Amino acid sequence: DVVLTQSPLSLPVTLGQPASISCRSSQSLVFSDGNTYLNWFQQRPGQSPRRLIYKVSNRDSGVPDRFSGSGSGTDFTLKISRVEAEDVGIYYCMQGTHWAWTFGQGTKVEIK
Amino acid sequence: EVKVVESGGGLVQPGGSLRLSCAASGFTFSNYPMTWVRQTPGTGLEWISSIDNTGGYSYYPDSVRGRFTTSRDNSRNALFLQMSGLRAEDTAVYYCAICMSVTCRAGFGPWGPGTLVTVSS
Repeated sequence: DVVLTQSPLSLPVTLGQPASISCRSSQSLVFSDGNTYLNWFQQRPGQSPRRLIYKVSNRDSGVPDRFSGSGSGTDFTLKISRVEAEDVGIYYCMQGTHWAWTFGQGTKVEIK
Repeated sequence: EVKVVESGGGLVQPGGSLRLSCAASGFTFSNYPMTWVRQTPGTGLEWISSIDNTGGYSYYPDSVRGRFTTSRDNSRNALFLQMSGLRAEDTAVYYCAICMSVTCRAGFGPWGPGTLVTVSS
């Protein structure tokens, strides 16, 4: 299976400051149809996960524009331009390119 | 409101069976592939099954293939996960979710609140 390695695993951030999470894949995530199926999920405390970003850089409806995704091939990044209190939670990357689809181990974002 | 709600979790002995259900509402269920994902404190999130919108094709990772079977009843807006040969490592919160693309490759959402399955003697 494709292994997704996230870093850091814990990210204390000051309110209003930026945050960046890395997701590195053990294989290229470019699919035969030309798309790169790297998605990001947010799981707030006590809640179910929700998708934030799909296919590297596409924000879901209702996701604030302070969230952005970038990257290509095997290296991807989720950035929060200015962290707000509601952004506390665990962030997971997920690949849908190679069977079986896999998730990263998660990055816990907390407020300093 | 788009909603999915899982049910059927509980305590089961190793080697036992359990059937989970997922009730869908607020969208045209028969148009969407669906998926099951589980979450454990130790191993995080694990994709365990997806099924196409007609129920004619389902797929699984090696960890559950041959033990778990996903099905759906579009007339009842319901998704099912039949689990057999359960092991301690199957202990997890099980979520159903809507696939956000025809192939499910672009991820899943909205997710249900989850149902806890505990495999223990």
